[in-house]
Amino acid sequence: DSGVTQTPKHLITATGQRVTLRCSPRSGDLSVYWYQQSLDQGLQFLIQYYNGEERAKGNILERFSAQQFPDLHSELNLSSLELGDSALYFCASSLAGSSTDTQYFGPGTRLTVL
Amino acid sequence: AQKITQTQPGMFVQEKEAVTLDCTYDTSDPSYGLFWYKQPSSGEMIFLIYQGSYDQQNATEGRYSLNFQKARKSANLVISASQLGDSAMYFCAMRESSGGSNYKLTFGKGTLLTVNP
Repeated sequence: DSGVTQTPKHLITATGQRVTLRCSPRSGDLSVYWYQQSLDQGLQFLIQYYNGEERAKGNILERFSAQQFPDLHSELNLSSLELGDSALYFCASSLAGSSTDTQYFGPGTRLTVL
Repeated sequence: AQKITQTQPGMFVQEKEAVTLDCTYDTSDPSYGLFWYKQPSSGEMIFLIYQGSYDQQNATEGRYSLNFQKARKSANLVISASQLGDSAMYFCAMRESSGGSNYKLTFGKGTLLTVNP
């Protein structure tokens, strides 16, 4: 158990809908990262937050947004869902978001868009 | 060009034998970190081992060791005394520091390891 929690574990929804994925980092970690794992794209970085502020963006679609709250948990919002958004979404956390940190991953949320 | 290359889509090993999973990387950043993660069929990503670019010695963590050859830009994972529970997908990842405050991980496509009894 990495100490990172993600809910829900599974999510099934329809095209055009909006969903929210939730992540709680390990105790003491200030930085949260979101990754998407799909069969065709592999594991891709979406976005990073550090202590409530956005720090870096990757290949994140405009339909997707995220935030990190004062208690350090993070939410990833996916809207106008398409079939291609079906994937495993991981949250990872690290102590300080620095170059020497190790990122510990949560169990993931498996999103299926029908 | 791919930043992380894992050339072995699948590998087989007999239980109790050692196995090496290959990883080569491409970066011009003098400061970087290399990671290996394990993803069992249940889906979670488990951190295994880390090697910093300035580390003088190869990293080891229990049965896992990293064969780091900086000049060749390779960071192969060695698993000794394989166990049935080692059957999983293994990902090599790199974190570069030249991106300012962006410390994202870039992953390879993975190697599926099967341990045979």
